[in-house]
Amino acid sequence: DGGITQSPKYLFRKEGQNVTLSCEQNLNHDAMYWYRQDPGQGLRLIYYSQIVNDFQKGDIAEGYSVSREKKESFPLTVTSAQKNPTAFYLCASSMRLEGNEQFFGPGTRLTVL
Amino acid sequence: AQKVTQAQTEISVVEKEDVTLDCVYETRDTTYYLFWYKQPPSGELVFLIRRNSFDEQNEISGRYSWNFQKSTSSFNFTITASQVVDSAVYFCALSEAYTGANNLFFGTGTRLTVIP
Repeated sequence: DGGITQSPKYLFRKEGQNVTLSCEQNLNHDAMYWYRQDPGQGLRLIYYSQIVNDFQKGDIAEGYSVSREKKESFPLTVTSAQKNPTAFYLCASSMRLEGNEQFFGPGTRLTVL
Repeated sequence: AQKVTQAQTEISVVEKEDVTLDCVYETRDTTYYLFWYKQPPSGELVFLIRRNSFDEQNEISGRYSWNFQKSTSSFNFTITASQVVDSAVYFCALSEAYTGANNLFFGTGTRLTVIP
């Protein structure tokens, strides 16, 4: 089955610790994305990558970092510099051409204690 | 700057009623794409439809229909004969071609509750 996997589904961390969220896709998509969702709000773009070894900041990149060493993988690190990291994080992928729909993973709910 | 407004935060309907979810957008781009996604309680977003700015034809897919009107910058979504399984948060989103990337800008969503 083709799709996007995110792990873990729930994640708890102590304040001040870095944490890495996993995102893997087997759809052969070039582009991948990370979004953050807070209660009652829409999704906001953190980082995106259109090709391996290249990525760009989105609207709310501060306190986050990413890597794109493989086409299938786009991990997101939430650093201790992120002031309010508790949120629902969604990963997506798409074909690179403009206007293509994005396919989403099941999300990771991060709670920082 | 682009903007997507979903003014209806929450809507409740009784099963079998029709319901329309509103979406108004702003963009300076002449080429853009509009999307609707469904987010059930599980959290994963499910793609429903995409429209490009040059295609104003309305579309129907089963109980779902979409009304795209450039004159009012709206892309509304109607569910006919609603069912309990339609209960979810629905997001409207915009992608602008000039950015060269396929990034989506989302509205804040409308939570639909269908009461049995």
